[in-house]
Amino acid sequence: DAMVIQNPRYQVTQFGKPVTLSCSQTLNHNVMYWYQQKSSQAPKLLFHYYDKDFNNEADTPDNFQSRRPNTSFCFLDIRSPGLGDAAMYLCATGDLGLVDTEAFFGQGTRLTVV
Amino acid sequence: AQSVTQLGSHVSVSEGALVLLRCNYSSSVPPYLFWYVQYPNQGLQLLLKYTSAATLVKGINGFEAEFKKSETSFHLTKPSAHMSDAAEYFCAVSNFGNEKLTFGTGTRLTIIP
Repeated sequence: DAMVIQNPRYQVTQFGKPVTLSCSQTLNHNVMYWYQQKSSQAPKLLFHYYDKDFNNEADTPDNFQSRRPNTSFCFLDIRSPGLGDAAMYLCATGDLGLVDTEAFFGQGTRLTVV
Repeated sequence: AQSVTQLGSHVSVSEGALVLLRCNYSSSVPPYLFWYVQYPNQGLQLLLKYTSAATLVKGINGFEAEFKKSETSFHLTKPSAHMSDAAEYFCAVSNFGNEKLTFGTGTRLTIIP
């Protein structure tokens, strides 16, 4: 029944070692979002894809990249993780063609940097 | 620009007591407003949303919220707290229901047995 699936749920990576987080959806939504949530803080939008169009937030570090090879999948790449990148990463989807709907969130991936 | 302010980063209520979590927003356009709940190491689950229809919105788990334009508020309430309500609650705003969200800083709700 899960509609937005994030893998893995927990990821441990080494300082400076590239890591990729995965998100898939079964909703056929045209928008996919990536949020970063640090401990005891609100989720903060990193970027989003509207179909194939990539939209980066102004203050998202260059260390963070994203790929959306098709409608169903979206990846978050962290090129050189630092200790400050340890956080929960939340993927969400939405459909800009629908009114009165909302974003649907996955269960998140908790990233630890050692 | 939009913003959300949640008053009280921590709220404690006794089991069976009224839950009131406060949210005020700022928006230059008619807002869409949301309340999400987050349990430890989980994603965000939608409790309820306001999308310019009825000002009193009922959600899941007995929660409701009232949109008050004059007060720019969207406070979350539940008449009787249950132990399972202990979680982090986020208020959020967007231009449209499924556009990018701006979140408040969250309120951690503790239920006292």
